[in-house]
Amino acid sequence: DADVTQTPRNRITKTGKRIMLECSQTKGHDRMYWYRQDPGLGLRLIYYSFDVKDINKGEISDGYSVSRQAQAKFSLSLESAIPNQTALYFCATGSYNEQFFGPGTRLTVL
Amino acid sequence: GENVEQHPSTLSVQEGDSAVIKCTYSDSASNYFPWYKQELGKRPQLIIDIRSNVGEKKDQRIAVTLNKTAKHFSLHITETQPEDSAVYFCAATPLVGQNFVFGPGTRLSVLP
Repeated sequence: DADVTQTPRNRITKTGKRIMLECSQTKGHDRMYWYRQDPGLGLRLIYYSFDVKDINKGEISDGYSVSRQAQAKFSLSLESAIPNQTALYFCATGSYNEQFFGPGTRLTVL
Repeated sequence: GENVEQHPSTLSVQEGDSAVIKCTYSDSASNYFPWYKQELGKRPQLIIDIRSNVGEKKDQRIAVTLNKTAKHFSLHITETQPEDSAVYFCAATPLVGQNFVFGPGTRLSVLP
């Protein structure tokens, strides 16, 4: 399913580094989301955007920022990465009653 | 805000048996409840959903039931097959099209 793509797919970085994860979608949806997945904690919402001019904090936004560059693009940044931000990150785009997830980015912060 | 709990966290069944995963939610305003399946190394994908005006919905071997009074909903998989092995997430939202609150997930293993 290439409708939602994420880059990079894997990234290892060091504490204190700035990291950007990128997401693009070709489904034409206005809504885009960033989630973090940790074992036993499910999918937790970091930020979401309902259109290009709309940015909202989710459940766990501290330490993260986002940019909605266009309807199809939504980036997640870690300004100064820390080890407890090691996780699997999913971008998603939403229709009326379904969210379509990207393939995920596995981020490791050493 | 909404809080979704999910049980069990892991579930092992023999191939051909049934599997049941239960979720509870806290916000009585929630009225849309999707279920997502995540196979190993893959992205979550919607498998079935139910709205609050419906008590049960079926799709082949998969069914979902909803008890609004008790604020819980369940996923039922009958005649389980090895390809049903995955992590299953329930979710709740007060309005279709709005943000989902996901449960922590259930890892289902179907044993041959």
